[in-house]
Amino acid sequence: KAGVTQTPRYLIKTRGQQVTLSCSPISGHRSVSWYQQTPGQGLQFLFEYFSETQRNKGNFPGRFSGRQFSNSRSEMNVSTLELGDSALYLCASSVSPPQGMSGNTIYFGEGSWLTVV
Amino acid sequence: GNSVTQMEGPVTLSEEAFLTINCTYTATGYPSLFWYVQYPGEGLQLLLKATKADDKGSNKGFEATYRKETTSFHLEKGSVQVSDSAVYFCAVNSGGSNYKLTFGKGTLLTVNP
Repeated sequence: KAGVTQTPRYLIKTRGQQVTLSCSPISGHRSVSWYQQTPGQGLQFLFEYFSETQRNKGNFPGRFSGRQFSNSRSEMNVSTLELGDSALYLCASSVSPPQGMSGNTIYFGEGSWLTVV
Repeated sequence: GNSVTQMEGPVTLSEEAFLTINCTYTATGYPSLFWYVQYPGEGLQLLLKATKADDKGSNKGFEATYRKETTSFHLEKGSVQVSDSAVYFCAVNSGGSNYKLTFGKGTLLTVNP
């Protein structure tokens, strides 16, 4: 079974530009979430999508947005890039269990390394 | 909200030494607990998990027991190898935020031959 696939793996952008990152979840997984990893802030939750709807959102500015398609694939977009947006962006997917069940396991992709210069 | 406090590193051990990385958490509802590992230049890999009190997660010689009374989930391995060198993250999710993980800051482990 293929894992979570993220593209591109590495990219360099200039301040003020925008970027789109793509994520294909594990087959059968309907929940997709995104995390930002930086040396200073560690791993921070960006947002989570299920059935094309955003269910959870972290504490990030509106420049960070995402969407999910009917096939569960997801994209995230960062507009007006700042130097501080340089980070590893991790996509994760999980099966959505019946309501009330715990133990949902979240699987991560290899990440997209974004450098803003 | 949820929070995780993880032992600060870096931790440097010799091969075959015993490893413990401490992790404590605060969470609402009925949390599940996880350890993830990140090798240099890679994403996160699930190492082990536990979904209820007194559960023991184990994988590749690593173990962690869900201790509700002490809100802890310490990672242990009896004999580390050079290939275990990586960053280890403790994480929690629970209740209404079942699809959102809260991570500790990570512990860098270096194992020398």
